[in-house]
Amino acid sequence: GQQVMQIPQYQHVQEGEDFTTYCNSSTTLSNIQWYKQRPGGHPVFLIQLVKSGEVKKQKRLTFQFGEAKKNSSLHITATQTTDVGTYFCAGRRNNDMRFGAGTRLTVKP
Amino acid sequence: NAGVTQTPKFRILKIGQSMTLQCTQDMNHNYMYWYRQDPGMGLKLIYYSVGAGITDKGEVPNGYNVSRSTTEDFPLRLELAAPSQTSVYFCASSYDINSGETQYFGPGTRLLVL
Repeated sequence: GQQVMQIPQYQHVQEGEDFTTYCNSSTTLSNIQWYKQRPGGHPVFLIQLVKSGEVKKQKRLTFQFGEAKKNSSLHITATQTTDVGTYFCAGRRNNDMRFGAGTRLTVKP
Repeated sequence: NAGVTQTPKFRILKIGQSMTLQCTQDMNHNYMYWYRQDPGMGLKLIYYSVGAGITDKGEVPNGYNVSRSTTEDFPLRLELAAPSQTSVYFCASSYDINSGETQYFGPGTRLLVL
């Protein structure tokens, strides 16, 4: 079955440093979504990527979908303490949507 | 709009007990989902529904049942609680699945089975 792997599992950065999390699927995806979950909270939708090679930006966040539509990345430039949380990718293939295990980001002020 | 609401927020069950986790959305969404999230892990889909009267199994359906008698409500039933069902349960809804519409999540129900 479809598997979505996400790395790294944890990332601790100094405030102002950059951060990247990677998502890899065992199968070609229809689309990929990214969510952020604050500690003790629920997942909140960030963005959806659909097209091969697509790149989208949200302020300091840059999302990329691979050419083969099997991998994706989220890059945060100059992290802030408000970026703390766990970032999940969710890959969809037909009606099957699988979440990665998430990357937990901590930011030291 | 209240969005997606879940009750209870927290529950402790003894092994073998049963309970129903409630989920309601007021956004007139067709699609609703139940996920479980184990500590330090991602979300795993238990069941989903594409509309009233229609439900389907997700990745980890064993030990659970659902029903969808109305567009708004999607309760999740645990018949014989087991320690392996200790988890945080999230309900979510979306307008459409094929267009990849964003899922809106409820605040979650923390379940502890002892």
